[in-house]
Amino acid sequence: EDKVVQSPLSLVVHEGDTVTLNCSYEVTNFRSLLWYKQEKKAPTFLFMLTSSGIEKKSGRLSSILDKKELFSILNITATQTGDSAVYLCAVYELSNFGNEKLTFGTGTRLTIIP
Amino acid sequence: DAGITQSPRHKVTETGTPVTLRCHQTENHRYMYWYRQDPGHGLRLIHYSYGVKDTDKGEVSDGYSVSRSKTEDFLLTLESATSSQTSVYFCAISEYPSSYNEQFFGPGTRLTVL
Repeated sequence: EDKVVQSPLSLVVHEGDTVTLNCSYEVTNFRSLLWYKQEKKAPTFLFMLTSSGIEKKSGRLSSILDKKELFSILNITATQTGDSAVYLCAVYELSNFGNEKLTFGTGTRLTIIP
Repeated sequence: DAGITQSPRHKVTETGTPVTLRCHQTENHRYMYWYRQDPGHGLRLIHYSYGVKDTDKGEVSDGYSVSRSKTEDFLLTLESATSSQTSVYFCAISEYPSSYNEQFFGPGTRLTVL
């Protein structure tokens, strides 16, 4: 079963638009949620969220977590062509064996049209 | 960027041949991970290491083995490659095991098994 689900799968917008990417999760022992940006190579870290309702912000990107409704959103305002990438959501959970496991969603492919 | 390199970056091999991928880090991080990334599946953990000579299985470990004889190197071996192991392989590192620390990714190795 999919524990981390991202939507939409892909999104095409014009430069300057604002986008919202969604990540819902279903894990037993949630620890934290991470967002990564992946262009043609390695995923690069964006945010880590552990507490509900506290917005993390970096320039035009921001993210927030809702631990009651089990989801997070990633907002990008005033999009630029350099924002074109696959955005990955991942959730740390404590497994039944006592170790921490990071599970990734399949990603949202964002394309910004000039 | 974290000092992580992977070699080779691209490899084409035939079914049944052994293949070894190398991950090298200069950050002196204790934890190292091997993931594979496939369309529709996101990133999935193959094996990870929590110290020299200390390794454990991830969710898709069948057909793979790993070794870590030095802090800086983590090797992934496909004993007898199969076409289902065609994928992009990413190495990642983290300083601590905690779910409150992000993982940093290497540039990836694209493996094709014919």
